[in-house]
Amino acid sequence: SQQGEEDPQALSIQEGENATMNCSYKTSINNLQWYRQNSGRGLVHLILIRSNEREKHSGRLRVTLDTSKKSSSLLITASRAADTASYFCATARKAGGGNKLTFGTGTQLKVEL
Amino acid sequence: GAGVSQTPSNKVTEKGKYVELRCDPISGHTALYWYRQSLGQGPEFLIYFQGTGAADDSGLPNDRFFAVRPEGSVSTLKIQRTERGDSAVYLCASSLRGGDSSLAGYTFGSGTRLTVV
Repeated sequence: SQQGEEDPQALSIQEGENATMNCSYKTSINNLQWYRQNSGRGLVHLILIRSNEREKHSGRLRVTLDTSKKSSSLLITASRAADTASYFCATARKAGGGNKLTFGTGTQLKVEL
Repeated sequence: GAGVSQTPSNKVTEKGKYVELRCDPISGHTALYWYRQSLGQGPEFLIYFQGTGAADDSGLPNDRFFAVRPEGSVSTLKIQRTERGDSAVYLCASSLRGGDSSLAGYTFGSGTRLTVV
């Protein structure tokens, strides 16, 4: 089952604009992660935010986490055509001692020149 | 190796046949995960290994699916009596270790696209 719901499902913007994607989840978490996927194959880890953190930055990425609302957002600033991809949030809960991730449904981002 | 390697990259099989999908994780990564992703969906958890043992196999859809990791490195996902509904991209990921200490995220392989005809 998929825990996260991402909003919007698809987003089309012009190069240079900012892109904001939102993720909602249902249960308590240890951390929340964002991944990027090109062409339906391997996912690339972008950023991780712990449950006791509220905001985190990495380059052009900014992630926020609101555990009271069970939601997170990913902001990509000054977008580039190369940012075109699907973006997934994933939540981590303890499960059998592991850090099993439950993925959302994804946002398809298209950045046009 | 430098990354997570999955073979084959594509597999077409006939309904009812048996298939094996292989995952070679990053050297030293003790945690290994299998996910399945259908078109337009996010990856869905299948099974998690910590070392050689399956710590959580709650995502395996039925007893046609089985996975092993006999030496704590390479893992094989085995699907018996394949059905058309098994068609998907099967993704493998590894991380340095499970638990709260694994906070660097997963490293995913490029996946195996399985098509059952």
